Amino acid sequence: GAVVSQHPSWVICKSGTSVKIECRSLDFQATTMFWYRQFPKQSLMLMATSNEGSKATYEQGVEKDKFLINHASLTLSTLTVTSAHPEDSSFYICSASSRLGQGRDTQYFGPGTRLTVL
Amino acid sequence: QKEVEQNSGPLSVPEGAIASLNCTYSDRGSQSFFWYRQYSGKSPELIMSIYSNGDKEDGRFTAQLNKASQYVSLLIRDSQPSDSATYLCAVNDSGSSNTGKLIFGQGTTLQVKP
Repeated sequence: GAVVSQHPSWVICKSGTSVKIECRSLDFQATTMFWYRQFPKQSLMLMATSNEGSKATYEQGVEKDKFLINHASLTLSTLTVTSAHPEDSSFYICSASSRLGQGRDTQYFGPGTRLTVL
Repeated sequence: QKEVEQNSGPLSVPEGAIASLNCTYSDRGSQSFFWYRQYSGKSPELIMSIYSNGDKEDGRFTAQLNKASQYVSLLIRDSQPSDSATYLCAVNDSGSSNTGKLIFGQGTTLQVKP
């Protein structure tokens, strides 16, 4: 149980184009989904928190107009990187949170999407 | 600024030994504590969760929690080369209890040598 998928697993795009990444919770309904970014040899950096049907909450320093998050249902959230530039190249990972087990929120991570912007 | 501190390592142990990974946190209101394992180039994978003071065992893994000392640890018994990875400690952000937001440490790199 508690499986989270991401699509695509990797993408290469030209500078200036937009890229959409999907995150799905396959066997549970996620109360909240999170988007992280991780550069090589660095720790996870939380970008935003999203709840179904409401606007995402972005962390300080993350441009909400550049990283568009849509949380259409309890099992699907999307991250769109608009007008991508080489500095946006990174490993993007989503997680989904559900009140499983002892009734406390637990985050389960998707496999990640590796974005390379040329 | 709420923080989770881990020694970045690398922590090197011989195969079959016990690996001890430690973590301290600053948010006194935190109630949920997690250990994730992350292999190079992969996403984090949940290993253990712990919510009460004391020990929690799951196979070769034991999580230990001491809320008074704001300290959580992970013991890996009979360490195997396949355990070589970065181990992330995470605690819930008590100020964001409705969202399940976690605060992550920088991670400790474990190397298990055959």
